[in-house]
Amino acid sequence: NAGVTQTPKFQVLKTGQSMTLQCAQDMNHEYMSWYRQDPGMGLRLIHYSVGAGITDQGEVPNGYNVSRSTTEDFPLRLLSAAPSQTSVYFCASSPPKGGSRLPEAFFGQGTRLTVV
Amino acid sequence: AQKITQTQPGMFVQEKEAVTLDCTYDTSDQSYGLFWYKQPSSGEMIFLIYQGSYDEQNATEGRYSLNFQKARKSANLVISASQLGDSAMYFCAMRYIMNSGYSTLTFGKGTMLLVSP
Repeated sequence: NAGVTQTPKFQVLKTGQSMTLQCAQDMNHEYMSWYRQDPGMGLRLIHYSVGAGITDQGEVPNGYNVSRSTTEDFPLRLLSAAPSQTSVYFCASSPPKGGSRLPEAFFGQGTRLTVV
Repeated sequence: AQKITQTQPGMFVQEKEAVTLDCTYDTSDQSYGLFWYKQPSSGEMIFLIYQGSYDEQNATEGRYSLNFQKARKSANLVISASQLGDSAMYFCAMRYIMNSGYSTLTFGKGTMLLVSP
């Protein structure tokens, strides 16, 4: 059981480039989300999805796009990378609230992104 | 607004001793969940323990226990018999319902725990 898989693990981009961070889960979870982790800031929610075809913005959505065409995949797109987007990105999935006694989020390994 | 506060940027403990990591939260919701995650230097987020707002008993998972004081809005993590492998960043998080009606997690800024021999 792979859980949540993120690719790539590391990426360096030039300012203005675009790229897609991939996230896939094999637990049939409806709920998936993207967070960014910056030093001294904890994790902040970028976008989330409650099922295929349904996405919404989180706390820091600017500069990012998402789509959810399947239950398994939830890619995060950087449209025009900026140095302020240098961060560690985590994808997470969760069963529906109330669907488990321990509705914790399962996290991917993270993607360390540097924008120069 | 939901908020998690971890006031200890760093903590030091000797191996085999117990340590308490502080977490306070702010919410007006009646139903919420509190989590602790461990992030070792390798970067992954590891779920440790969960406490529901209606759970009357403090949660325990092996050497981890959650000291839940609802009236004080605190959810401190207690690690008994610390081990060198416990050295990591620890995050307190709260699951709450957003305006959209869906739930998400909000995190504190974390506490770095260093365990010395």
